Amino acid sequence: AQSVTQLDSQVPVFEEAPVELRCNYSSSVSVYLFWYVQYPNQGLQLLLKYLSGSTLVKGINGFEAEFNKSQTSFHLRKPSVHISDTAEYFCAVRDTNAGKSTFGDGTTLTVKP
Amino acid sequence: ETGVTQTPRHLVMGMTNKKSLKCEQHLGHNAMYWYKQSAKKPLELMFVYNFKEQTENNSVPSRFSPECPNSSHLFLHLHTLQPEDSALYLCASSQVQGERGEQFFGPGTRLTVL
Repeated sequence: AQSVTQLDSQVPVFEEAPVELRCNYSSSVSVYLFWYVQYPNQGLQLLLKYLSGSTLVKGINGFEAEFNKSQTSFHLRKPSVHISDTAEYFCAVRDTNAGKSTFGDGTTLTVKP
Repeated sequence: ETGVTQTPRHLVMGMTNKKSLKCEQHLGHNAMYWYKQSAKKPLELMFVYNFKEQTENNSVPSRFSPECPNSSHLFLHLHTLQPEDSALYLCASSQVQGERGEQFFGPGTRLTVL
């Protein structure tokens, strides 16, 4: 079994400030890790993914995430946010064997001017 | 058309109606998924099809009936729904279930059951 916990349901931040969205997971097997973004009235779009190799992963729109195996975390960061980053962000894990994906509850990022 | 498309984008139906949601992917993928996204609830996986065969049904009520005639098309047939079924229904596809790739999502169908 696997689970995903997004530690903050809402993150308000001012424009140009840095932001970190936290994600912890638990799994008895190896996993792949993903971050998705959902803008209003749209589906989910992949931001970045960790499959193997370097633990620091860079994605689209200036986002990056770091896989920390010992802490079972995959936190998402951006050094300077824009108004347009306002959206819902989902962390997801996928079992490398069975391919079953589990999503976190989501974090609403609100960027204020 | 590119990516994953869903029709209709919005649907309002009564509890006695029968309607269908359609999903089409233009990515050459072999796995397709239905998710339900309700307000204040996590994303719920409903069904998975891999090479047109249903591989997962997460205890979804029988008033939801999926159909996958080929790897590019996925339907969700709806009948005698309840108001609590109102939600955003998302379709997704991926290369093959279990592969390393991510899922690609459609824009969703916003369903309201009166």
